[in-house]
Amino acid sequence: GAVVSQHPSWVICKSGTSVKIECRSLDFQATTMFWYRQFPKQSLMLMATSNEGSKATYEQGVEKDKFLINHASLTLSTLTVTSAHPEDSSFYICSAGRGTSGRNYEQYFGPGTRLTVT
Amino acid sequence: ILNVEQSPQSLHVQEGDSTNFTCSFPSSNFYALHWYRWETAKSPEALFVMTLNGDEKKKGRISATLNTKEGYSYLYIKGSQPEDSATYLCAFSGAGNNRKLIWGLGTSLAVNP
Repeated sequence: GAVVSQHPSWVICKSGTSVKIECRSLDFQATTMFWYRQFPKQSLMLMATSNEGSKATYEQGVEKDKFLINHASLTLSTLTVTSAHPEDSSFYICSAGRGTSGRNYEQYFGPGTRLTVT
Repeated sequence: ILNVEQSPQSLHVQEGDSTNFTCSFPSSNFYALHWYRWETAKSPEALFVMTLNGDEKKKGRISATLNTKEGYSYLYIKGSQPEDSATYLCAFSGAGNNRKLIWGLGTSLAVNP
């Protein structure tokens, strides 16, 4: 159990367009999902924490109007990169939290989305 | 600034060798330490969540230890197999925001048959 899918796995878009990435927990309900970004030779960086039915919490330096997050159900969160620019080209990966927020709280990851903005 | 360091950056071993990697993290405000295995083109897979100083966890040929006082964790692989080839990531969470994971860069392991 604890499978998370992410779609698309890769996308190429033109500068100025918007791209939507979907993250689904397939066999469990996730009240919280997390969106990360990884630039080449850097570690995974948390962008935002998405809670079902409420607004996402963005990390410092992440523009909430540029990276729109919607978590409308317990199994789906979406990240929309609006007006994408080449500097937004990166690897985006989501995770879904399972269980309560105790010490054994675990995050289960999707396979990621490679975004290239031309 | 919270930093998580992993060493070595990469490792090449022969099938059957045993190996280990290090994860260093802040020793104050510790909440949990996570180990993940990430194979190319797949999802990162959770290996261990470690929470108590002195914890030792084992999953098949892989085991991990935790020292929260000095801020390090070791991951051991006994008798490496080619299918162990992957990047091994550790992530720290602090007591202030225990769901936020701070990640290391990972150790890339290649096991030659």
